[in-house]
Amino acid sequence: AQKVTQAQTEISVVEKEDVTLDCVYETRDTTYYLFWYKQPPSGELVFLIRRNSFDEQNEISGRYSWNFQKSTSSFNFTITASQVVDSAVYFCALSRPAYNTDKLIFGTGTRLQVFP
Amino acid sequence: ETGVTQTPRHLVMGMTNKKSLKCEQHLGHNAMYWYKQSAKKPLELMFVYNFKEQTENNSVPSRFSPECPNSSHLFLHLHTLQPEDSALYLCASSQDIGEGTGELFFGEGSRLTVL
Repeated sequence: AQKVTQAQTEISVVEKEDVTLDCVYETRDTTYYLFWYKQPPSGELVFLIRRNSFDEQNEISGRYSWNFQKSTSSFNFTITASQVVDSAVYFCALSRPAYNTDKLIFGTGTRLQVFP
Repeated sequence: ETGVTQTPRHLVMGMTNKKSLKCEQHLGHNAMYWYKQSAKKPLELMFVYNFKEQTENNSVPSRFSPECPNSSHLFLHLHTLQPEDSALYLCASSQDIGEGTGELFFGEGSRLTVL
């Protein structure tokens, strides 16, 4: 079965702190994609990153970085020097391209609150 | 401004009412989706349409009836709903479902309250 677990329900930090959001996934597929989406208070989910199962290189984009480790089935997301605008709910997701669909399996999300 | 527009943003309805949610995408995409977001639960995929054809119905109760007249518009018709159907309903689009790349573009959602 496919499953995404985000054990952290809510995290609160003070501005400029670094924060890591955890994501653990389960799948029997050898080919799959992992994603992070951000949901600000306005409601729409915003795509942040996609990583395919054959690419374990870590990625950095500005203050955001992602650590993909197949050995532990984890795809963690770190925000460096957090800002108030980072406050949102963050979702990790898994897709199964072998099934010819953009069916994403989402975790329950982690609410991040960044205080000034 | 988001490329996916949902109306209404908020809807309150009684269990005997009939209402519809509307979604319009301005991105030239071919696939559209309805997701349900309830508190403390993962987002649930409800329906998928690709080139106006329904490709997935994720065991959704018949009181939810989708309609996709063209690739740019998606409706969710609601009738005889239950209080547990209260949730945020999110519409999304993607280029197509062929490669499963997963990059979806979401609207801001329609917050539904069933009394």
